[in-house]
Amino acid sequence: QVHLVESGGGVVQPGRSLRLSCAASGFTFSSYAMYWVRQAPGKGLEWVTFISNDRSTKYYADSVKGRFTISGDNSKNTLYLQMNSLRVEDTAVYYCGRDSASGSGWPIDYWGQGTLVTVSS
Amino acid sequence: QSALTQPASVSGSPGQSITISCTGTSSDVGGYHYVSWYQQHPGKAPKLLIYEVSNRPSGVSNRFSGSKSGNTASLTISGLLAEDEADYYCSSYTSSITLVFGGGTKLTVL
Repeated sequence: QVHLVESGGGVVQPGRSLRLSCAASGFTFSSYAMYWVRQAPGKGLEWVTFISNDRSTKYYADSVKGRFTISGDNSKNTLYLQMNSLRVEDTAVYYCGRDSASGSGWPIDYWGQGTLVTVSS
Repeated sequence: QSALTQPASVSGSPGQSITISCTGTSSDVGGYHYVSWYQQHPGKAPKLLIYEVSNRPSGVSNRFSGSKSGNTASLTISGLLAEDEADYYCSSYTSSITLVFGGGTKLTVL
Protein backbone atom coordinates (compact mmCIF):
# COMPACT_ATOMS: atom_id res chain seq x y z
CA GLN A 1 0.00 0.00 0.00
CA VAL A 2 1.00 3.62 -0.46
CA HIS A 3 3.14 4.96 2.34
CA LEU A 4 4.60 8.44 2.80
CA VAL A 5 6.82 9.14 5.79
CA GLU A 6 8.11 12.64 6.51
CA SER A 7 11.16 13.37 8.63
CA GLY A 8 13.53 16.21 9.42
CA GLY A 9 11.29 18.48 11.44
CA GLY A 10 12.37 20.13 14.66
CA VAL A 11 13.03 23.41 16.40
CA VAL A 12 15.11 25.97 14.51
CA GLN A 13 15.95 29.63 15.03
CA PRO A 14 14.65 32.32 12.68
CA GLY A 15 16.91 32.79 9.67
CA ARG A 16 18.30 29.25 9.82
CA SER A 17 17.71 26.35 7.43
CA LEU A 18 16.11 22.92 7.61
CA ARG A 19 15.62 20.09 5.11
CA LEU A 20 12.58 17.85 5.23
CA SER A 21 12.43 14.43 3.61
CA CYS A 22 9.50 12.29 2.55
CA ALA A 23 10.17 8.60 1.94
CA ALA A 24 7.70 7.06 -0.48
CA SER A 25 6.81 3.39 -0.89
CA GLY A 26 4.08 1.19 -2.32
CA PHE A 27 3.87 2.95 -5.68
CA THR A 28 6.04 3.97 -8.63
CA PHE A 29 7.39 7.25 -7.25
CA SER A 30 8.66 8.48 -10.60
CA SER A 31 5.16 8.34 -12.10
CA TYR A 32 3.56 10.83 -9.73
CA ALA A 33 3.72 14.55 -9.09
CA MET A 34 4.15 15.40 -5.43
CA TYR A 35 3.32 18.23 -3.04
CA TRP A 36 4.17 19.81 0.27
CA VAL A 37 1.27 21.25 2.26
CA ARG A 38 1.58 22.82 5.71
CA GLN A 39 -0.73 23.50 8.62
CA ALA A 40 0.11 26.02 11.31
CA PRO A 41 -1.00 25.03 14.82
CA GLY A 42 -4.78 25.33 15.06
CA LYS A 43 -5.03 26.72 11.54
CA GLY A 44 -6.07 25.52 8.10
CA LEU A 45 -4.18 23.86 5.28
CA GLU A 46 -1.80 25.89 3.12
CA TRP A 47 -0.33 24.62 -0.14
CA VAL A 48 3.44 25.15 -0.23
CA THR A 49 4.83 23.65 -3.43
CA PHE A 50 4.39 21.21 -6.33
CA ILE A 51 6.85 19.12 -8.32
CA SER A 52 6.11 17.20 -11.51
CA ASN A 53 6.66 13.47 -11.82
CA ASP A 54 9.92 13.92 -13.75
CA ARG A 55 10.98 16.50 -11.10
CA SER A 56 11.64 19.15 -13.74
CA THR A 57 8.66 21.46 -13.15
CA LYS A 58 8.14 23.19 -9.81
CA TYR A 59 5.70 25.75 -8.47
CA TYR A 60 5.67 27.60 -5.16
CA ALA A 61 3.32 29.61 -2.99
CA ASP A 62 4.25 33.29 -2.84
CA SER A 63 4.83 32.95 0.90
CA VAL A 64 7.83 30.64 0.36
CA LYS A 65 9.06 31.57 -3.11
CA GLY A 66 12.79 32.26 -3.12
CA ARG A 67 13.27 30.64 0.30
CA PHE A 68 12.05 27.05 -0.13
CA THR A 69 13.13 24.54 -2.77
CA ILE A 70 11.37 21.29 -3.58
CA SER A 71 13.26 18.39 -5.14
CA GLY A 72 12.88 14.69 -5.62
CA ASP A 73 15.23 11.76 -6.10
CA ASN A 74 13.42 9.14 -8.15
CA SER A 75 16.25 6.67 -7.58
CA LYS A 76 15.73 6.92 -3.83
CA ASN A 77 11.93 7.34 -3.89
CA THR A 78 12.35 10.42 -1.74
CA LEU A 79 10.90 13.93 -1.84
CA TYR A 80 12.68 16.86 -0.21
CA LEU A 81 11.91 20.36 0.95
CA GLN A 82 14.88 22.64 1.57
CA MET A 83 13.76 25.52 3.75
CA ASN A 84 16.06 28.54 4.06
CA SER A 85 15.69 31.88 5.82
CA LEU A 86 13.02 30.42 8.07
CA ARG A 87 10.54 32.75 9.74
CA VAL A 88 8.37 32.37 12.81
CA GLU A 89 5.33 32.20 10.52
CA ASP A 90 6.74 29.06 8.87
CA THR A 91 5.96 27.14 12.06
CA ALA A 92 3.63 24.32 11.03
CA VAL A 93 3.15 20.62 10.47
CA TYR A 94 4.47 19.88 7.01
CA TYR A 95 2.78 17.13 5.01
CA CYS A 96 4.00 15.56 1.81
CA GLY A 97 1.31 14.37 -0.55
CA ARG A 98 0.94 12.39 -3.74
CA ASP A 99 -0.94 13.66 -6.76
CA SER A 100 -3.98 11.64 -7.70
CA ALA A 101 -3.43 10.31 -11.19
CA SER A 102 -7.20 9.83 -11.41
CA GLY A 103 -7.94 13.49 -11.89
CA SER A 104 -6.65 16.88 -12.88
CA GLY A 105 -6.47 20.04 -10.81
CA TRP A 106 -3.97 18.75 -8.29
CA PRO A 107 -6.02 16.53 -5.99
CA ILE A 108 -3.84 14.91 -3.31
CA ASP A 109 -4.88 11.31 -2.73
CA TYR A 110 -2.29 10.18 -0.20
CA TRP A 111 -0.74 12.14 2.63
CA GLY A 112 2.05 11.46 5.08
CA GLN A 113 1.57 11.78 8.83
CA GLY A 114 3.36 15.14 8.87
CA THR A 115 6.46 16.52 10.55
CA LEU A 116 6.41 19.53 12.87
CA VAL A 117 8.69 22.48 12.18
CA THR A 118 8.93 25.08 14.92
CA VAL A 119 10.75 28.32 14.19
CA SER A 120 11.54 30.11 17.41
CA SER A 121 14.36 31.98 19.05
CA GLN B 1 -3.75 34.22 -3.46
CA SER B 2 -6.50 34.56 -0.86
CA ALA B 3 -7.96 31.48 0.79
CA LEU B 4 -11.31 30.24 -0.42
CA THR B 5 -14.22 31.17 1.85
CA GLN B 6 -15.89 28.45 3.91
CA PRO B 7 -18.23 28.74 6.89
CA ALA B 8 -16.31 28.31 10.13
CA SER B 9 -18.73 25.73 11.44
CA VAL B 10 -21.80 23.70 10.56
CA SER B 11 -23.77 21.18 12.56
CA GLY B 12 -26.36 18.51 12.06
CA SER B 13 -28.02 15.58 13.76
CA PRO B 14 -27.35 11.95 12.91
CA GLY B 15 -29.20 10.94 9.76
CA GLN B 16 -29.58 14.49 8.51
CA SER B 17 -27.85 16.09 5.53
CA ILE B 18 -25.58 19.12 5.64
CA THR B 19 -23.93 21.24 2.97
CA ILE B 20 -20.65 23.10 3.21
CA SER B 21 -20.00 25.93 0.77
CA CYS B 22 -16.68 27.05 -0.69
CA THR B 23 -16.58 30.41 -2.44
CA GLY B 24 -13.76 31.62 -4.64
CA THR B 25 -13.39 33.69 -7.78
CA SER B 26 -13.35 33.26 -11.52
CA SER B 27 -9.60 32.69 -11.23
CA ASP B 28 -10.02 29.54 -9.20
CA VAL B 29 -13.33 27.83 -8.34
CA GLY B 30 -15.30 29.51 -11.10
CA GLY B 31 -12.68 29.10 -13.78
CA TYR B 32 -11.95 25.40 -13.52
CA HIS B 33 -13.62 22.09 -12.81
CA TYR B 34 -10.80 21.43 -10.35
CA VAL B 35 -12.27 21.61 -6.86
CA SER B 36 -11.34 18.97 -4.28
CA TRP B 37 -12.65 18.32 -0.78
CA TYR B 38 -10.79 16.85 2.19
CA GLN B 39 -11.78 15.52 5.59
CA GLN B 40 -9.41 15.88 8.53
CA HIS B 41 -9.91 14.36 11.96
CA PRO B 42 -7.99 15.90 14.89
CA GLY B 43 -4.32 14.99 14.83
CA LYS B 44 -4.65 13.13 11.54
CA ALA B 45 -3.64 13.79 7.96
CA PRO B 46 -6.30 15.01 5.52
CA LYS B 47 -8.24 12.47 3.44
CA LEU B 48 -9.38 13.13 -0.12
CA LEU B 49 -13.18 12.91 -0.41
CA ILE B 50 -13.97 14.56 -3.76
CA TYR B 51 -11.92 15.62 -6.79
CA GLU B 52 -12.85 17.45 -10.00
CA VAL B 53 -15.91 18.94 -8.24
CA SER B 54 -17.97 15.77 -7.97
CA ASN B 55 -15.84 12.64 -8.38
CA ARG B 56 -15.29 10.29 -5.45
CA PRO B 57 -12.08 8.28 -5.10
CA SER B 58 -12.45 4.56 -4.69
CA GLY B 59 -13.44 3.69 -1.13
CA VAL B 60 -15.12 6.99 -0.26
CA SER B 61 -18.72 6.63 0.83
CA ASN B 62 -21.42 7.76 -1.59
CA ARG B 63 -22.85 9.79 1.31
CA PHE B 64 -20.34 12.43 0.22
CA SER B 65 -21.16 14.41 -2.91
CA GLY B 66 -19.89 17.58 -4.54
CA SER B 67 -21.22 20.20 -6.89
CA LYS B 68 -20.43 23.66 -8.20
CA SER B 69 -22.31 26.70 -9.41
CA GLY B 70 -20.39 29.72 -10.61
CA ASN B 71 -17.70 30.66 -8.10
CA THR B 72 -19.13 28.50 -5.31
CA ALA B 73 -18.57 24.80 -4.77
CA SER B 74 -20.45 22.68 -2.27
CA LEU B 75 -19.93 19.48 -0.34
CA THR B 76 -23.02 17.62 0.83
CA ILE B 77 -22.91 14.88 3.44
CA SER B 78 -26.08 12.83 3.67
CA GLY B 79 -27.11 10.43 6.42
CA LEU B 80 -24.79 12.06 8.95
CA LEU B 81 -22.84 9.71 11.20
CA ALA B 82 -20.98 10.49 14.40
CA GLU B 83 -17.72 9.61 12.63
CA ASP B 84 -18.30 12.44 10.14
CA GLU B 85 -17.44 14.95 12.86
CA ALA B 86 -14.24 16.51 11.55
CA ASP B 87 -12.79 19.50 9.75
CA TYR B 88 -13.50 19.83 6.04
CA TYR B 89 -11.42 21.74 3.51
CA CYS B 90 -12.01 22.62 -0.10
CA SER B 91 -9.23 23.35 -2.55
CA SER B 92 -9.02 24.67 -6.08
CA TYR B 93 -6.45 24.88 -8.80
CA THR B 94 -5.87 28.51 -9.81
CA SER B 95 -4.97 30.51 -12.91
CA SER B 96 -1.63 31.34 -11.27
CA ILE B 97 -0.69 27.63 -11.39
CA THR B 98 -1.06 27.29 -7.65
CA LEU B 99 -3.39 25.47 -5.29
CA VAL B 100 -5.55 27.36 -2.82
CA PHE B 101 -7.38 25.87 0.17
CA GLY B 102 -10.43 27.09 1.98
CA GLY B 103 -10.17 28.17 5.60
CA GLY B 104 -11.85 24.98 6.78
CA THR B 105 -15.23 24.11 8.27
CA LYS B 106 -15.71 22.32 11.56
CA LEU B 107 -18.60 19.86 11.36
CA THR B 108 -20.30 19.00 14.63
CA VAL B 109 -22.66 16.02 14.76
CA LEU B 110 -25.16 16.82 17.49
